[in-house]
Amino acid sequence: DAKTTQPTSMDCAEGRAANLPCNHSTISGNEYVYWYRQIHSQGPQYIIHGLKNNETNEMASLIITEDRKSSTLILPHATLRDTAVYYCIVRVARVNDYKLSFGAGTTVTVRA
Amino acid sequence: DVKVTQSSRYLVKRTGEKVFLECVQDMDHENMFWYRQDPGLGLRLIYFSYDVKMKEKGDIPEGYSVSREKKERFSLILESASTNQTSMYLCASTGRTGWLNEQYFGPGTRLTVT
Repeated sequence: DAKTTQPTSMDCAEGRAANLPCNHSTISGNEYVYWYRQIHSQGPQYIIHGLKNNETNEMASLIITEDRKSSTLILPHATLRDTAVYYCIVRVARVNDYKLSFGAGTTVTVRA
Repeated sequence: DVKVTQSSRYLVKRTGEKVFLECVQDMDHENMFWYRQDPGLGLRLIYFSYDVKMKEKGDIPEGYSVSREKKERFSLILESASTNQTSMYLCASTGRTGWLNEQYFGPGTRLTVT
């Protein structure tokens, strides 16, 4: 699975949009981009995933560049409860292959 | 809402003890997983199960075993706990097409072996 690069940390003001970048320059055509987050002392939580089109759900939006070498997770109106470590994962969606590899992620701190 | 629960949030055991960690999910998911999470090492897969009584080794199965007697329950067993098994243990589950979609995680068990 392709390697991802994320900033170590970022701050965001409450109520503003948080834009979390992820570089995955070695991504191949059949690899998906997934985002999870982990709030302190809790298990990881799925946020969103996509292949090449932009995706939106009730939690966030995922913008994938046309060349697929990078993506951005957007939390439209950050709240204090969005403070967490955010993980960008690139993996092949293979039947019966469930392995998830979490890297270091981005520590996002939402400030009042 | 999918719920994955784990038997304990915090556990302290002594070296050499046999340790049982239990995980229960309420969404009739076929697949269940045990991971451990350590600072600087990320999440590592220990074992997973794709059906009752079925199990597959993950990346770091040594020192662990698992049991899946019922669909909703997946147990991780440390046969003889050692200090290097001090870690956060996370259980997850996913449905039949979970290889494409999301995994649902439990809250985690922080195990300390002294």
